[in-house]
Amino acid sequence: EAGVAQSPRYKIIEKRQSVAFWCNPISGHATLYWYQQILGQGPKLLIQFQNNGVVDDSQLPKDRFSAERLKGVDSTLKIQPAKLEDSAVYLCASSLAGQGRPYNSPLHFGNGTRLTVT
Amino acid sequence: AQKITQTQPGMFVQEKEAVTLDCTYDTSDPSYGLFWYKQPSSGEMIFLIYQGSYDQQNATEGRYSLNFQKARKSANLVISASQLGDSAMYFCAMRPSFGNEKLTFGTGTRLTIIP
Repeated sequence: EAGVAQSPRYKIIEKRQSVAFWCNPISGHATLYWYQQILGQGPKLLIQFQNNGVVDDSQLPKDRFSAERLKGVDSTLKIQPAKLEDSAVYLCASSLAGQGRPYNSPLHFGNGTRLTVT
Repeated sequence: AQKITQTQPGMFVQEKEAVTLDCTYDTSDPSYGLFWYKQPSSGEMIFLIYQGSYDQQNATEGRYSLNFQKARKSANLVISASQLGDSAMYFCAMRPSFGNEKLTFGTGTRLTIIP
């Protein structure tokens, strides 16, 4: 089966510019996650979707970050305006976990987008 | 709230030796799952092994096994017969079995296998 697809692979922008990341999850996976991984740290959940509804966005900086999942499949994460501290790898993951599905389903991650804000 | 602690920022191990990566956790959830992921320098997160809090036996997957001690709230990863390709970051993570299923990660351990 095809894995989680993310693009772009790398992005360099100046502070105060905007940027968008795209994610296509594994077919049939109801749950989609966006994680932020700052260098030297573990991934931190930004937002979790189940189908096209938001389950958890408690750690999403909503003044500058936004995300959507149209039709319960692809998702985009946007940052506007970017700050220096947003430099990180943005990981998208998907999982079968959700209503009626096994809770022990692992998350499958994409290769991530490495963002550098200068 | 959940918390994962990985106290070993880095480890060096001779090739072919076994290695144990430590993970302790804290949670108020009665039922939960524990996961280990490997992150090579290329950046992708690779799922290795899963342990449920009510599983009677410790999980094993090939050269990976999980030393789960529920009373001590520890879930250490054991890699047997280490290989050069095992050099990577390793993350312990946990998720409640019910609810919003948020997966929380530790800070990771960087494992380097020495030839």
